[in-house]
Amino acid sequence: GQQVMQIPQYQHVQEGEDFTTYCNSSTTLSNIQWYKQRPGGHPVFLIQLVKSGEVKKQKRLTFQFGEAKKNSSLHITATQTTDVGTYFCAGIVSGGYNKLIFGAGTRLAVHP
Amino acid sequence: EAQVTQNPRYLITVTGKKLTVTCSQNMNHEYMSWYRQDPGLGLRQIYYSMNVEVTDKGDVPEGYKVSRKEKRNFPLILESPSPNQTSLYFCASSSARSGTGGLNTEAFFGQGTRLTVV
Repeated sequence: GQQVMQIPQYQHVQEGEDFTTYCNSSTTLSNIQWYKQRPGGHPVFLIQLVKSGEVKKQKRLTFQFGEAKKNSSLHITATQTTDVGTYFCAGIVSGGYNKLIFGAGTRLAVHP
Repeated sequence: EAQVTQNPRYLITVTGKKLTVTCSQNMNHEYMSWYRQDPGLGLRQIYYSMNVEVTDKGDVPEGYKVSRKEKRNFPLILESPSPNQTSLYFCASSSARSGTGGLNTEAFFGQGTRLTVV
């Protein structure tokens, strides 16, 4: 079936280090969204990427959508303790616009 | 305040005892869905609804029912809960872009319902 694979599953970093999580889809995506879930919380929308090769920035966060629209990444520069949580990518398969398919998430721990 | 409200937040029940988890949104969104979250598996879609009286199965619909009689409400029904349905459940809503009817906007999630079936 349609899948969105996300790696790594866990990442432990020292505060100030960079962090990257990657998503790969088995099929072409029409768009991809990123969500953050704080411990004990619910997923909160961060951003949506639609165009092939698109790059968007939100302060220390950089989001990329691959040229083939099958992969995406989230990079955090100089992590802070407030970045702790699980980051999910979620893709909408081209032609399957009713379903948002989530990756398994990357749990980020930041040590002060 | 725009929000998705789930109730209850926590529920412990016994095998076979029917239960309903309610979900309500105040954003006039067309699209609503239910997910379950399990460690290492991320969020898996149970059912979704494109509009009133329009529902469809997601990836893991077995053992669940839903209804969409009103636009704002999308209850999740477990007719005969079993221990393998112990999980964290999230309801979400979003606006479907007109014209395409597609899901192209951010999803707003409820606070979650932690269900334990013993």
